[in-house]
Amino acid sequence: KQEVTQIPAALSVPEGENLVLNCSFTDSAIYNLQWFRQDPGKGLTSLLLIQSSQREQTSGRLNASLDKSSGRSTLYIAASQPGDSATYLCAVIFGNEKLTFGTGTRLTIIP
Amino acid sequence: DARVTQTPRHKVTEMGQEVTMRCQPILGHNTVFWYRQTMMQGLELLAYFRNRAPLDDSGMPKDRFSAEMPDATLATLKIQPSEPRDSAVYFCASGPDSLKDVRLAKETQYFGPGTRLLVL
Repeated sequence: KQEVTQIPAALSVPEGENLVLNCSFTDSAIYNLQWFRQDPGKGLTSLLLIQSSQREQTSGRLNASLDKSSGRSTLYIAASQPGDSATYLCAVIFGNEKLTFGTGTRLTIIP
Repeated sequence: DARVTQTPRHKVTEMGQEVTMRCQPILGHNTVFWYRQTMMQGLELLAYFRNRAPLDDSGMPKDRFSAEMPDATLATLKIQPSEPRDSAVYFCASGPDSLKDVRLAKETQYFGPGTRLLVL
């Protein structure tokens, strides 16, 4: 079964610290992997997309990596800010074109 | 600033009633998705349309759920009859291309604000 797992479910970090969010998936045959952000009561916003042939993508203070062989992706957030507080979800397009979301990590940045 | 719109934003209904949720995708997008989000199950893909044709609705309970795109500017998700376990937030998303072909994060899905459904 194709599954996407995010651990931990919640994370609190003091402002200014760097942090890493984790995503693991069970099938290495993927088209791409995306990281989304969801604010309370809102829809999802796409942050980064990594193609299966890529190792990482960067956007501002965000850096996402992909290791297909181990079935893992990380989202690195540098110099965290209170505005980064949200739920972060990763989503994988598996080889059968099925889109599967992880359950998310709820991030709280403490001022 | 193009956005996906969804109506209604909130819906409270009684078990057994019909519920219709509507979505207006971003003009020019040819893929539309319906998702359901609950605390227990997380975000689940219910249906996926490309060029108004259903590509995948395997995540949708067929006995009570139906999804259609009567035209390029409207997608509907209907539940009949509704049950308390259908209580969730239902999101619509649209995108300019098929999921496996997107190259940039900005080319992927744009989510609407969701419809929060409560079935009593």
